[in-house]
Amino acid sequence: DQQVKQNSPSLSVQEGRISILNCDYTNSMFDYFLWYKKYPAEGPTFLISISSIKDKNEDGRFTVFLNKSAKHLSLHIVPSQPGDSAVYFCAASAGGGTYKYIFGTGTRLKVLA
Amino acid sequence: EAGVAQSPRYKIIEKRQSVAFWCNPISGHATLYWYQQILGQGPKLLIQFQNNGVVDDSQLPKDRFSAERLKGVDSTLKIQPAKLEDSAVYLCASSLEPGTSGSGTDTQYFGPGTRLTVL
Repeated sequence: DQQVKQNSPSLSVQEGRISILNCDYTNSMFDYFLWYKKYPAEGPTFLISISSIKDKNEDGRFTVFLNKSAKHLSLHIVPSQPGDSAVYFCAASAGGGTYKYIFGTGTRLKVLA
Repeated sequence: EAGVAQSPRYKIIEKRQSVAFWCNPISGHATLYWYQQILGQGPKLLIQFQNNGVVDDSQLPKDRFSAERLKGVDSTLKIQPAKLEDSAVYLCASSLEPGTSGSGTDTQYFGPGTRLTVL
């Protein structure tokens, strides 16, 4: 049972435009959400997070939106740059003692120059 | 600040052989995680340590996988014997303190991973 889903395996965007990556979850107990970026042959790098008490968090070019009623979050990158080309993973945490992360399957973003 | 260190970066073994991976977390991080990432999937937690105690090993295949963190700092993950389906990237991550969602202190920081190929 995939509790965190990224239904778009890949996405291509022109440089300077907005990239929108989506993530859906099924477990209503999740209260903390994160986005990680992964380049080839490297480990995932933390990008941005959001607590369930918020509906938006912004950090420079990156904004994460959370819609709890729809169990949906999205990452917006504006403007997109070629260096943003990577695989993006969304992750969710439910607390419960271990606070372990459940990851989605990732979306490969390609920003075209 | 030094990141999470892992070694080796790559390992190729035959099935039924044994293999061990090493991880050194970020200094001061009490919590250490081992993940398995199979090609095309997201990382899956295998085991979580808080200092040198196990917090969660519910998804660790204990008949063949073992992990230890004896002094509460670095950790080793072992597979014995390996199967073809163990081919994956094994990622180590560390964090300051879980359970404080929203504060950022439980954000996990990942090492570069070890790519294991079982032939």
